[in-house]
Amino acid sequence: KNQVEQSPQSLIILEGKNCTLQCNYTVSPFSNLRWYKQDTGRGPVSLTIMTFSENTKSNGRYTATLDADTKQSSLHITASQLSDSASYICVVSAQTGANNLFFGTGTRLTVIP
Amino acid sequence: GAGVSQSPSNKVTEKGKDVELRCDPISGHTALYWYRQSLGQGLEFLIYFQGNSAPDKSGLPSDRFSAERTGGSVSTLTIQRTQQEDSAVYLCASSLGDSRTEAFFGQGTRLTVV
Repeated sequence: KNQVEQSPQSLIILEGKNCTLQCNYTVSPFSNLRWYKQDTGRGPVSLTIMTFSENTKSNGRYTATLDADTKQSSLHITASQLSDSASYICVVSAQTGANNLFFGTGTRLTVIP
Repeated sequence: GAGVSQSPSNKVTEKGKDVELRCDPISGHTALYWYRQSLGQGLEFLIYFQGNSAPDKSGLPSDRFSAERTGGSVSTLTIQRTQQEDSAVYLCASSLGDSRTEAFFGQGTRLTVV
């Protein structure tokens, strides 16, 4: 069964600190993995995309990693800012199948001053 | 338009009434998704359209929920005889339909059933 699991469910950190969010998946055959950021009251917006051959990809203070062997991904946020407070959603695409997008339930990050 | 557009952005309705939510996908996107997001919860898949294929309705929670996609573009999600537990944000996304392409989301419709 194709599934995407994220942890932790929620996280509170102090401004300036780093944090790491986790995503485990069982989607097969794997195509790519995206991390989305969803600000309160807005739709999710893509941060990074990683394919099978990519191990690390950065987007500013966001760095995503992918281990295709263990089917795990992480999103590391460096020097957090108040504006990083949002939900972060891991989305895995399968190569085949009519409905090939599988969503995690997200991690709710709150950055406090 | 440049992005996925949903309307209305907010809807308050009385219990038992029917509501229609609209999604205008990005032009040329063949795939369209509806998701529901309850307060503090993750995204719950509702329905998926791809081109002229039969939609994947496996996520619809009850027969009070239905959706159409006319002419392969605009989609409407209809909820009949609304219940309080239907209160949520309803998100629409569209993509080119290829697994390598990004799904773009609308801003959502916040539905409140009172």
